[in-house]
Amino acid sequence: EDQVTQSPEALRLQEGESSSLNCSYTVSGLRGLFWYRQDPGKGPEFLFTLYSAGEEKEKERLKATLTKKESFLHITAPKPEDSATYLCAVQAVNNNDMRFGAGTRLTVKP
Amino acid sequence: KAGVTQTPRYLIKTRGQQVTLSCSPISGHRSVSWYQQTPGQGLQFLFEYFSETQRNKGNFPGRFSGRQFSNSRSEMNVSTLELGDSALYLCASRSGAGVSETQYFGPGTRLLVL
Repeated sequence: EDQVTQSPEALRLQEGESSSLNCSYTVSGLRGLFWYRQDPGKGPEFLFTLYSAGEEKEKERLKATLTKKESFLHITAPKPEDSATYLCAVQAVNNNDMRFGAGTRLTVKP
Repeated sequence: KAGVTQTPRYLIKTRGQQVTLSCSPISGHRSVSWYQQTPGQGLQFLFEYFSETQRNKGNFPGRFSGRQFSNSRSEMNVSTLELGDSALYLCASRSGAGVSETQYFGPGTRLLVL
C-alpha cells in the first residue's frame, strides 16, 4: 500500500534559521510527488511537482528535491510569513488519487 | 483565471441529517476530486470524477456519494450524518488530460455535525 510519512510533525525556527522538511514515501511506481502549503482554515496551496529522482525545483526561499525514497523541502532564511503546514503527496502510476502525508507544521518566530 | 470555488464555506448540521456540498473547478478542468481533512486522519481521498463519471474511489462508506455535471461542476452528498463527519471537505481540480497533473484546491467547506 502507498505510504507517505512526513517529519518532523512540528518545527519551530527563528527567522533566518534554515532547515529541511522530510517526506518519505513508499509507492508502487511514482507518477509524481507534490508539495503543498496550507494555512489554517484554508485549502492547500500548490508549491511544486517532482517527477523523477534527482529533480530539483525552487521558488523564493523554498527548494524541493527528490530521491527514489524521499523528498526534502529546504527552507532558506525563513520569514514569519512562511509559517504554515507543509503537505507532501504522492501519485502512483496505477492510480489517479493522491496519498497525503500528515504534514509538518512550521512556525517561524521573528 | 478563477480558482476552484466551493459552497457553502461553513455548515452546521445535526446527526441524521444529510448535506450537499458544491464545487466549481477551474475553467477547462474536467477532473474533480474530493477530500476529507480532519486533525486525526489528515487529508483522505473520497472520490474523483472525470467527464461525469466516477473514475476513482477512496475507502469511505456508501453514505458519501458524489456526482459531476456536464459543465464539470461537482456535488458531494453525505447522508445520515454522524458526529465523526465533522471535517473540512476539500475539492480539487485538474485538467484530467495528462499522465500526471497538479491538483488545485478550493478553500474548503467546514462542516460541523452536532
